[in-house]
Order: sequence, then C-alpha cells, then structure tokens
Amino acid sequence: DQQVKQNSPSLSVQEGRISILNCDYTNSMFDYFLWYKKYPAEGPTFLISISSIKDKNEDGRFTVFLNKSAKHLSLHIVPSQPGDSAVYFCAAHSTTSGTYKYIFGTGTRLKVLA
Amino acid sequence: GAGVSQSPSNKVTEKGKDVELRCDPISGHTALYWYRQSLGQGLEFLIYFQGNSAPDKSGLPSDRFSAERTGGSVSTLTIQRTQQEDSAVYLCASSLTAVNEKLFFGSGTQLSVL
Repeated sequence: DQQVKQNSPSLSVQEGRISILNCDYTNSMFDYFLWYKKYPAEGPTFLISISSIKDKNEDGRFTVFLNKSAKHLSLHIVPSQPGDSAVYFCAAHSTTSGTYKYIFGTGTRLKVLA
Repeated sequence: GAGVSQSPSNKVTEKGKDVELRCDPISGHTALYWYRQSLGQGLEFLIYFQGNSAPDKSGLPSDRFSAERTGGSVSTLTIQRTQQEDSAVYLCASSLTAVNEKLFFGSGTQLSVL
C-alpha cells in the first residue's frame, strides 16, 4: 500500500520557467511533510518542509503548498535552473500515530533544459 | 565529521553470504533511520531508532534483515544469506529527534548481490 504517491515519474521544464512537482497521500494522520532532492550517487538533501497547520511555506525559489482536504501537496520552483535537475521525493510523517517513520514517495525526475 | 557517514560505499557479495553495513549518524542526533532504494524505485523504509525506545522494525522485508544501534550512536544493518533481490542502495539518515525534524542522509551503500 503506497501511502505517498508521486504519479509523474518525470518532468521537463525550460530554464527560467516554473517547475511544479506533485505528491498525493492517503493517510489522514500525516501532519508533517518534506521535500528532498537527490542527485545520482548522493544521498537525498532536504529542501523544504510544511506542517499541517499551514497551507504554504516559502524558501527562496522553493514554495510548498498543502491542500489537506485533497491530501495533496506540491512543490513549486521558480525560476527553474539547470542545477535543479535531479530526482525529487516528497515524504510524510505523523506525530500522532505512535510511530514517527517518514514515508517517501517514488520520486519525480526533473530535467531543466537550458 | 559533520555529516552522516556510511561504509562501505560499495559492496559486492555472492548470493548466500552475510553482509554488514555501517552508519555513523551526526553527533547528538537521537533518531536514526535506514532506507533502501532499489533500481528505479522510491525510498523504502526499513527501520528507525529513537533514543532508548524500542526500534520500529515494521519495514524490514524479512527475518534475514536486522539492525542494531549501539550506545545510541553507530548503527549496523545486517543482511543474512543475501539474495539477488537485496541489491539496492542502502541509505542511512539521522535527525535531532524523531518528531517533525528533517532527516540528514548519508551517501549510501551500493549493495550488489551476484
């Protein structure tokens, strides 16, 4: 049972344009969400997070939106740069379920074209 | 070191052999996680440790997999009688606590079972 889903395995965007990466979850107990970026042969690195008490969090070029009723979050990158080309994972976590494990999605490979 | 350290970075073994993978978390981090990423797949949760609490082993795929964390610091993931389907990148992460904290990942161990 895949509790966190990233339905787009890949995405190509022109440099300077907006990249929108999507993530859906099924467990309504999830209340903290994170986005990670992963380059080949490296571990994932943290990008941005959001708590369920918010619906938006911004950090520089990165903004995460959370729609709790739709169980959906998205990551916006504006403007996109070639160095943003990587695999992006969303992750979810519950502080009330009795276990604090982070569940990751399957990832979206972003390619930013120069 | 400042980051999460994993060793070895690469491990090639024969089917049926046992392997041990090591993780040194960031000093002071009380939570430690193991994930694996098979080719073309997302990050699969295996196990996490939080302080002196009992570990959450719910992600371990079979009883051939075990992990321990000694002295609240270094962790070892052991795979007994390795199978070809165990081939993957095994990633370790640590966080300050287990709740609403970003995970810091190591670079992973690439395990190849021949």
